[in-house]
Amino acid sequence: DGGITQSPKYLFRKEGQNVTLSCEQNLNHDAMYWYRQDPGQGLRLIYYSQIVNDFQKGDIAEGYSVSREKKESFPLTVTSAQKNPTAFYLCASSKGGLGEAFFGQGTRLTVV
Amino acid sequence: GQSLEQPSEVTAVEGAIVQINCTYQTSGFYGLSWYQQHDGGAPTFLSYNALDGLEETGRFSSFLSRSDSYGYLLLQELQMKDSASYFCAPRGDDKIIFGKGTRLHILP
Repeated sequence: DGGITQSPKYLFRKEGQNVTLSCEQNLNHDAMYWYRQDPGQGLRLIYYSQIVNDFQKGDIAEGYSVSREKKESFPLTVTSAQKNPTAFYLCASSKGGLGEAFFGQGTRLTVV
Repeated sequence: GQSLEQPSEVTAVEGAIVQINCTYQTSGFYGLSWYQQHDGGAPTFLSYNALDGLEETGRFSSFLSRSDSYGYLLLQELQMKDSASYFCAPRGDDKIIFGKGTRLHILP
């Protein structure tokens, strides 16, 4: 079955450590996105990518980094520079030019 | 610039009809999507309007007016399982942006 997979579902890290969240899709979608959601809040765009080896900063890119070496994969690294990393992280993909985005199950990151 | 406005909360009674409005401003515009998100879950796609007018999908309908930068989601025959957050998401030049969403409360 086609879909988008995020792992792990829950992640705990100590303050000051970098952590990488995985996102893989087998939908053959060109576009991929990372969003952050805080409790009771909307989705804020961190990074997005329209094609392999190219990505753009979203509204809250500071303290995060991404790579897009393969069409299927768009990992997000939360660095120690991110001041408030505890949040729910959602990865999504879409076919170029269309409005329907498919989301992974999300990764709930807790930094202690 | 870009902006999105939708009500933060709406309350309705089971079996009734509710409308959730959305006004937007984006650099470039291709269409407006709506998503539903239950507590603890990921957003799921409901509908997409690329052209002006009404799109109907079962109990849900979505409307778009490009000239007014306005759209709405209409939910009919409300059920308790419709209690969730609803997001409008305009498709801009190269990205999809989301607002803060509308929390829909349904009373029995």
